[in-house]
Amino acid sequence: DAGVIQSPRHEVTEMGQEVTLRCKPISGHNSLFWYRQTMMRGLELLIYFNNNVPIDDSGMPEDRFSAKMPNASFSTLKIQPSEPRDSAVYFCASSLAQSPSEQYFGPGTRLTVT
Amino acid sequence: GENVEQHPSTLSVQEGDSAVIKCTYSDSASNYFPWYKQELGKGPQLIIDIRSNVGEKKDQRIAVTLNKTAKHFSLHITETQPEDSAVYFCAASKGSGYALNFGKGTSLLVTP
Repeated sequence: DAGVIQSPRHEVTEMGQEVTLRCKPISGHNSLFWYRQTMMRGLELLIYFNNNVPIDDSGMPEDRFSAKMPNASFSTLKIQPSEPRDSAVYFCASSLAQSPSEQYFGPGTRLTVT
Repeated sequence: GENVEQHPSTLSVQEGDSAVIKCTYSDSASNYFPWYKQELGKGPQLIIDIRSNVGEKKDQRIAVTLNKTAKHFSLHITETQPEDSAVYFCAASKGSGYALNFGKGTSLLVTP
């Protein structure tokens, strides 16, 4: 099993630019989670999906952030426009909804906004 | 919402000694408590978990205990090795379909 796949692994962009992060969950998993990790705030849940439907997006910082899951094998997290304070490592995780929260994380995308 | 507190934030032990990391949670409805290990440059990896119907679980050198009455749970690593050095996160969840609420992490350093 390839595990959760994220791309790109590193992204450097200028303030104001649009950033799109991508995630492919483990095949057969029907829950998908987006997290942000910073030194100051630790691991924060941004949004999660069950069966491609957004369940809780209360962690999304503001309207600049949006997430989609058009099918069971792909999700995107978009930031438009990006700001320096968005710099962080963004993780995607997946799980089986019927298996209590055993989440498997991807390797993360390190985002730097200058 | 759920609030998970984790202590200590840093822990240094000598190889062969034991390490203990403690977490408390606030939501009595939480019933699933996993522990993750994160190595530098990698995503968190699930190492052990416990559900509220048991008080203790062991897997080789790693054990987790849960006290639902006091709302706290702990990770115990015995006979520590340098490769145990990493950041460890506890988390709590209300189970199937719910998100994990993470503690702030403990940076463990095992010195030879």
